Amino acid sequence: QVQLVESGGGLVKPGGSLRLSCAASGFTFSDYYLAWIRQAPGKGLEWVSYISSSGSSIYYADSVEGRFTISRDNAKKFLNLQLNSLRAEDTAVYYCARDNGGNGDSGDAFDIWGHGTMVTVSS
Amino acid sequence: SVLTQPPSASGTPGQRVTISCSGSSSNIGSNTVNWYQQLPGTAPKLLISFDNQRPSGVPDRFSGSKSGTSASLAISGLQSEDEADYYCAAWDDRLYWVFGGGTKLTVL
Repeated sequence: QVQLVESGGGLVKPGGSLRLSCAASGFTFSDYYLAWIRQAPGKGLEWVSYISSSGSSIYYADSVEGRFTISRDNAKKFLNLQLNSLRAEDTAVYYCARDNGGNGDSGDAFDIWGHGTMVTVSS
Repeated sequence: SVLTQPPSASGTPGQRVTISCSGSSSNIGSNTVNWYQQLPGTAPKLLISFDNQRPSGVPDRFSGSKSGTSASLAISGLQSEDEADYYCAAWDDRLYWVFGGGTKLTVL
């Protein structure tokens, strides 16, 4: 079935780095835009980054611009997020989500979500 | 949050409740709105896309509407399993996605 599975979360010290991955299955990965969306404990959803189907267009929230890097491997069906210079306020569950466009185009919503991976930034 | 939602809403079983979402000309005013339901301890689930379209499997008790820079989610025939957090979202022409702060729906 259509599925996204995140991995790579954990406990990291302020200033440290982490790499999150999202494995996709059940759909033509290279046809879809993808995003990372996070949720701090007890808080709402916050969009982090968005990447086009080919990887040629990339967007970041101001809060992570210059520290986080999104990438994708269409051959291996993986979405990645490199998190550098981590801060306490980056502590959150990070979700991988599929845009509902398809055919290489962007849609207007996120129709498939992973279960999330927890990132905790603390000394 | 860029999109403004009431922090809470409530209703009794069978009632109709609405949740509002207010934005601006660069997001809701020029792009479609989508809505998500997040049950406790789970990932968000898409409820409404393209302002008022329900993905397959979403009950027709859920409906979306939009006017100008505001949108609404309506839930009719409220059920206990509808108790959850609800979020609106839209693409912003300034090249980022925006979410509402979320509304916690309580079924009394």
